[in-house]
Amino acid sequence: QKEVEQNSGPLSVPEGAIASLNCTYSDRGSQSFFWYRQYSGKSPELIMSIYSNGDKEDGRFTAQLNKASQYVSLLIRDSQPSDSATYLCAVLSGGSYIPTFGRGTSLIVHP
Amino acid sequence: DTAVSQTPKYLVTQMGNDKSIKCEQNLGHDTMYWYKQDSKKFLKIMFSYNNKELIINETVPNRFSPKSPDKAHLNLHINSLELGDSAVYFCASSHANIKNTDTQYFGPGTRLTVL
Repeated sequence: QKEVEQNSGPLSVPEGAIASLNCTYSDRGSQSFFWYRQYSGKSPELIMSIYSNGDKEDGRFTAQLNKASQYVSLLIRDSQPSDSATYLCAVLSGGSYIPTFGRGTSLIVHP
Repeated sequence: DTAVSQTPKYLVTQMGNDKSIKCEQNLGHDTMYWYKQDSKKFLKIMFSYNNKELIINETVPNRFSPKSPDKAHLNLHINSLELGDSAVYFCASSHANIKNTDTQYFGPGTRLTVL
């Protein structure tokens, strides 16, 4: 069974700090990795996607992928209270188009 | 313009009733999905469907059935509703099997409450 694990949190960081969100996955054949942000009462929306080992940066967000360690992370620099949300990690295995989602990590950025 | 839309947004009903949730996408995607998100926020796939195949999560009770009148619509029918069906149901769509365009686009969700 394919599993995607995340610490449910909440992860609490002060405004301006770096928030680090982590995700591990069980299927070594996984090829596509996604971070979705979900505000309370809203639907998930894509923050970042990453397909190759290494870092991918987009504004204040950096996704990091290490396939050997089966680990993907999301760094949020200069965290803002508006970043407070649940962050869902999703993984696509090779040959599948149905992602497996983690349970999400709740992030709280306090002023 | 709304990309993925669902109706109704809220649905409150009695146990044993039959209900439907409608979903439409105007993104031209070839695949649509239904997810269930429980009170602990776990997003669980129920169905995925394109014009070639329907994939059903084997843990989904057969009281749930997807119906797709065309490529842009995937409705969810639920028979004999139970208390445990209370959750938020999300419709989503994507271009399946095309790397780098395989992002899931979610509808706003339907909050189902079974009394």
